[in-house]
Amino acid sequence: EAAVTQSPRSKVAVTGGKVTLSCHQTNNHDYMYWYRQDTGHGLRLIHYSYVADSTEKGDIPDGYKASRPSQENFSLILELASLSQTAVYFCASRHWGGWAETLYFGSGTRLTVL
Amino acid sequence: GEKVEQHESTLSVREGDSAVINCTYTDTASSYFPWYKQEAGKSLHFVIDIRSNVDRKQSQRLIVLLDKKAKRFSLHITATQPEDSAIYFCAARRTGYQNFYFGKGTSLTVIP
Repeated sequence: EAAVTQSPRSKVAVTGGKVTLSCHQTNNHDYMYWYRQDTGHGLRLIHYSYVADSTEKGDIPDGYKASRPSQENFSLILELASLSQTAVYFCASRHWGGWAETLYFGSGTRLTVL
Repeated sequence: GEKVEQHESTLSVREGDSAVINCTYTDTASSYFPWYKQEAGKSLHFVIDIRSNVDRKQSQRLIVLLDKKAKRFSLHITATQPEDSAIYFCAARRTGYQNFYFGKGTSLTVIP
């Protein structure tokens, strides 16, 4: 069974503070994604990566940085957290190539910025 | 970019009845359409998908229909059970692109 682990499960941050969300996968997948989930918006892509040491912007990258130091790890960094970044964040991984399209999601991180 | 609209935000059905969730998309180059299920307080997991080279796919009680002309796809859950209660997300991905565009989700309640 493919496994994607996120930490922390929840976090409260102060406005202007730095927040790092971590994701670890044991699937040996090439692609990793960070999505945010807001009520009424579904999931929106923030950043993704298809190889270590490289990241790509998604649809809503402003205010976020990403880091992929290894195939297994993918972090999302909020350098200056803002109220509008309160949301649930999901990491996902996916194999590249062939017919394997399924996204495997982590359990999510609930971030509250005060 | 692609826009995926999920038409029903909430849906209630009686146990044993069928549930239908409809989605539309805008990008004619989209070729892969998965559905994900999110149970209360949990993460999303894959339930079924369809590719643009077919117009129907079934997996046990789940049926996905794709109408490329209308840019519409739908999830049919037959003989619903209480454990089908969840939020269902449709998504679309364009050939050659890596982003999956998700609908806003449909909260399905199956009433025993």
